[in-house]
Amino acid sequence: QKEVEQDPGPLSVPEGAIVSLNCTYSNSAFQYFMWYRQYSRKGPELLMYTYSSGNKEDGRFTAQVDKSSKYISLFIRDSQPSDSATYLCAMSANAGGTSYGKLTFGQGTILTVHP
Amino acid sequence: DSGVTQTPKHLITATGQRVTLRCSPRSGDLSVYWYQQSLDQGLQFLIQYYNGEERAKGNILERFSAQQFPDLHSELNLSSLELGDSALYFCASSVATMDTQYFGPGTRLTVL
Repeated sequence: QKEVEQDPGPLSVPEGAIVSLNCTYSNSAFQYFMWYRQYSRKGPELLMYTYSSGNKEDGRFTAQVDKSSKYISLFIRDSQPSDSATYLCAMSANAGGTSYGKLTFGQGTILTVHP
Repeated sequence: DSGVTQTPKHLITATGQRVTLRCSPRSGDLSVYWYQQSLDQGLQFLIQYYNGEERAKGNILERFSAQQFPDLHSELNLSSLELGDSALYFCASSVATMDTQYFGPGTRLTVL
């Protein structure tokens, strides 16, 4: 079983829809949670960064972390065709472990927003 | 543009060969990370360097090695290449370990 599970989709929604992307994880040492967006043939670009449990909002994007359920989410409001990309969740453990600094990624969800 | 540069963009080579991928981190970043992205395995952490020293290691094959030089650029060496090594190789950098990682555009390696 992978440490981080993410539904690869693909996910296709109409413009203006609310998109929900999710990841589950098994390693309780994960403390830092990120969402990256990757356009085709490009490097991943950081969208959201959260520490421990809670919500964080940035424009049309909201990240939620529920450590008790080992579940994280990214919501995209008023989705646009330019949001079409692969969305990757990523996590890292707290300081002091051998995996310090290492990001563990989900498989990525391919999102298409059609006009 | 993240500020992380990687060369070359594309690399085509044959099985059994050796290649070197180069990464220049963002100005001021001391930490460099290497990742491999393939269709079946996704994005996998290979190795991390901080200010010239190896800091963390992932599932990096023995045929692969890396180093970070005094000017902080890093090189990933892949030897005895196999068809299965074909993938995108990304470099990322951060100010220090646990800071936000910024990814470069990647090097696409094709092994024929």
